Amino acid sequence: SQQGEEDPQALSIQEGENATMNCSYKTSINNLQWYRQNSGRGLVHLILIRSNEREKHSGRLRVTLDTSKKSSSLLITASRAADTASYFCATDESDYKLSFGAGTTVTVRA
Amino acid sequence: EPEVTQTPSHQVTQMGQEVILRCVPISNHLYFYWYRQILGQKVEFLVSFYNNEISEKSEIFDDQFSVERPDGSNFTLKIRSTKLEDSAMYFCASRGGGNTEAFFGQGTRLTVV
Repeated sequence: SQQGEEDPQALSIQEGENATMNCSYKTSINNLQWYRQNSGRGLVHLILIRSNEREKHSGRLRVTLDTSKKSSSLLITASRAADTASYFCATDESDYKLSFGAGTTVTVRA
Repeated sequence: EPEVTQTPSHQVTQMGQEVILRCVPISNHLYFYWYRQILGQKVEFLVSFYNNEISEKSEIFDDQFSVERPDGSNFTLKIRSTKLEDSAMYFCASRGGGNTEAFFGQGTRLTVV
């Protein structure tokens, strides 16, 4: 079944640095959504990018989508300790199912 | 800001018992979902619900599982006879329309002993 797969699995950076993570998927999508999950907590929606969009910004977040390569990237600029979390991409193939990848665990060191 | 609400936050149940996990989706949303996440693993799709019926379900969602939207505001997931391997975090989600953001609740941590 269709799933996004994130890369890298884990990322450790210094506060103030940028964090980039990638998501690849296999088939056509309507949109791709990024979520954050703090340890043991809920999934917080970050950003949605539709298949006809190439780039989107929200605060310190920048998301790109390349449908020809079936890939997306999430960039967090000027990272903070509070950005420490797991980040998931979720591909939306239909209105009835979002498929999640395994996630990237980001640790921001003070 | 509207949010998806799930209760309880944590439930402990004995193997073989029935559990009902409750969710209040965002008002006016039309699509509803249940997902689960076993500790340290992926977020797995269970089922989606639209127009008062199941629209898609995964192979995990077998006869032990059922969903209901009994009163136009609540959305429930029932597990008839729980197994140890049902221990997981269960997330409810809703969205207002196709090709829009899906918002998730804080989850119910189910522990089967």
